[in-house]
Amino acid sequence: AQSVTQLGSHVSVSEGALVLLRCNYSSSVPPYLFWYVQYPNQGLQLLLKYTTGATLVKGINGFEAEFKKSETSFHLTKPSAHMSDAAEYFCAVRASGGSYIPTFGRGTSLIVHP
Amino acid sequence: NAGVTQTPKFQVLKTGQSMTLQCAQDMNHNSMYWYRQDPGMGLRLIYYSASEGTTDKGEVPNGYNVSRLNKREFSLRLESAAPSQTSVYFCASSGQADNSPLHFGNGTRLTVT
Repeated sequence: AQSVTQLGSHVSVSEGALVLLRCNYSSSVPPYLFWYVQYPNQGLQLLLKYTTGATLVKGINGFEAEFKKSETSFHLTKPSAHMSDAAEYFCAVRASGGSYIPTFGRGTSLIVHP
Repeated sequence: NAGVTQTPKFQVLKTGQSMTLQCAQDMNHNSMYWYRQDPGMGLRLIYYSASEGTTDKGEVPNGYNVSRLNKREFSLRLESAAPSQTSVYFCASSGQADNSPLHFGNGTRLTVT
């Protein structure tokens, strides 16, 4: 079984401030973890993914996430928010070992103030 | 390279009407999915197809049927639409590997009155 919890349905930051979006997962087998971004009236796009190896993963648009097995977390960060980062962000887990079904969190809406 | 294409983009139905949402991908992916997105609920899986010729129920299959027409196409049918099916529907596809990400279409906004 697998599940994803995203803490905070909305996160508000000022332009230039640190962005931190939280994701915790549960999985009975080693997980593959993903962050997706959804801009208004569009589908989801892959930001970054963790499979194996390096626990700090870099993605597009300056975002990165760190896989922490001991904390079962995969939080998304960006050092300096830009207005164009305003979007909905989804964390997803997909169990290794043949499961074809990813599980998504409920999403976090990032609001960036000028 | 179009990726995942969904049609139509918008649709308004009356209660009891039927319709089919179309989805096609050109990435030679084996797996395809249908999700619905509702405010505060995130993405919920309706049906998926792990490979051509197979389909399986997801979290919220009631009121829907699917057809994996071939490797490229995966359609979603509402036989008798209900207001509770008002939502944004997304089709996605992925490669066979567990670490393959999903590729999404731009969605169909469906309103049932």
